[in-house]
Amino acid sequence: DIQMTQSPSSVSASVGDRVTITCRASQGISSWLAWYQQKPGKAPKLLIYAASSLQSGVPSRFSGSGSGTDFTLTISSLQPEDFATYYCQQANSFPHITFGQGTRLEIK
Amino acid sequence: EVQLVQSGAEVKKPGESLKISCKGSGYSFTSYWIGWVRQMPGKGLEWMGIIYPGDSDTRYSPSFQGQVTISADKSISTAYLQWSSLKASDTAMYYCARLRIAARSGHYFDYWGQGTLVTVSS
Repeated sequence: DIQMTQSPSSVSASVGDRVTITCRASQGISSWLAWYQQKPGKAPKLLIYAASSLQSGVPSRFSGSGSGTDFTLTISSLQPEDFATYYCQQANSFPHITFGQGTRLEIK
Repeated sequence: EVQLVQSGAEVKKPGESLKISCKGSGYSFTSYWIGWVRQMPGKGLEWMGIIYPGDSDTRYSPSFQGQVTISADKSISTAYLQWSSLKASDTAMYYCARLRIAARSGHYFDYWGQGTLVTVSS
């Protein structure tokens, strides 16, 4: 099974900061990676798919990059509504789906 | 508008059975896989399994195979997750989500239900 490891597990930042979250796959997954945002008490929301494609309606301050085993999610200028937990998900081998353990983004 | 509406919160005792539901609307229910995702209190997301309502093809995560049953009734655009004998460790939020599959982008959950909280306690 493909394991997904996110880092850091938590990060503190201020409004306006640039933040990067990383996700590493235990084996190569090409560009088959997604990122989700989850706010407390809410369902996850798809942000990025295919490593760098922005889901419709998601602000352009969110971007994704990477391929193979190493991926990043970048928020260019943090907004108050961006404080949440972020998960990566590998989509390499249907139907297997694996999520990373999550990265909690907190207000500094 | 694509919507997945899940059944309400449940409180059950260990050993009891349970079936929760997820009703899809705003799209062709039989043309997309529906998945179930578990989130234990304070923890991350775990994929449980998926079903294709068009023909009821079902795939399970090895971690959940034999522990739950996923089904669907395409006549009412509803997917189900059921347990025959609940345990305290089944206490969690359960989400259904629509799986989008594209040849050049993989498979992702693009729409999610609001979640069903299942509490198992004696």
